[in-house]
Amino acid sequence: GESVGLHLPTLSVQEGDNSIINCAYSNSASDYFIWYKQESGKGPQFIIDIRSNMDKRQGQRVTVLLNKTVKHLSLQIAATQPGDSAVYFCAENIGGYSTLTFGKGTMLLVSP
Amino acid sequence: GAVVSQHPSWVICKSGTSVKIECRSLDFQATTMFWYRQFPKKSLMLMATSNEGSKATYEQGVEKDKFLINHASLTLSTLTVTSAHPEDSSFYICSAPRGTSGTDTQYFGPGTRLTVL
Repeated sequence: GESVGLHLPTLSVQEGDNSIINCAYSNSASDYFIWYKQESGKGPQFIIDIRSNMDKRQGQRVTVLLNKTVKHLSLQIAATQPGDSAVYFCAENIGGYSTLTFGKGTMLLVSP
Repeated sequence: GAVVSQHPSWVICKSGTSVKIECRSLDFQATTMFWYRQFPKKSLMLMATSNEGSKATYEQGVEKDKFLINHASLTLSTLTVTSAHPEDSSFYICSAPRGTSGTDTQYFGPGTRLTVL
């Protein structure tokens, strides 16, 4: 079964707000986590990743937080824009292999 | 950045025919590529791992005789859906990791929408 799951299937925010998308994982052996953005009819697009020896990593307008104690991963998007509207997936990599396990996904809807 | 392409982007076929989908890494070599399928409003489900120079590794429940995978070169993997049926209609996506370690970034293709009539 899936070892990565998401708490919120849909998240609606206003333009300019900060968005937080959450993800829970169950396998403590997971050592690499990635967030992907998927727009309708397209393949997933890499957003940001984090390794298990870190608890925070920042990118451009995005921040990923990793809490290994509770096996929780989050993606924070600052100043959310309509172009951020998409489905966001977290994925985990176990044991250093390239095989990824994807979570269920959260749809982010940004209203202007 | 690394780019992965897929062809065709969409295909409509009659039930019983076979369809071939190509996945190419455009600016890097990939000894391993992955094939996923995705149903509407669902997550990506790994179907198989394509290995250059050896047989593909299929996930549990995926019929290897139904979904033929050939990793012809370091930049090309093909997925052939044999004797397609309407239940095979789905969004098929490939990916390739750039680099040699398991935690290298995986780049995804744009996907292929298969519709079987």
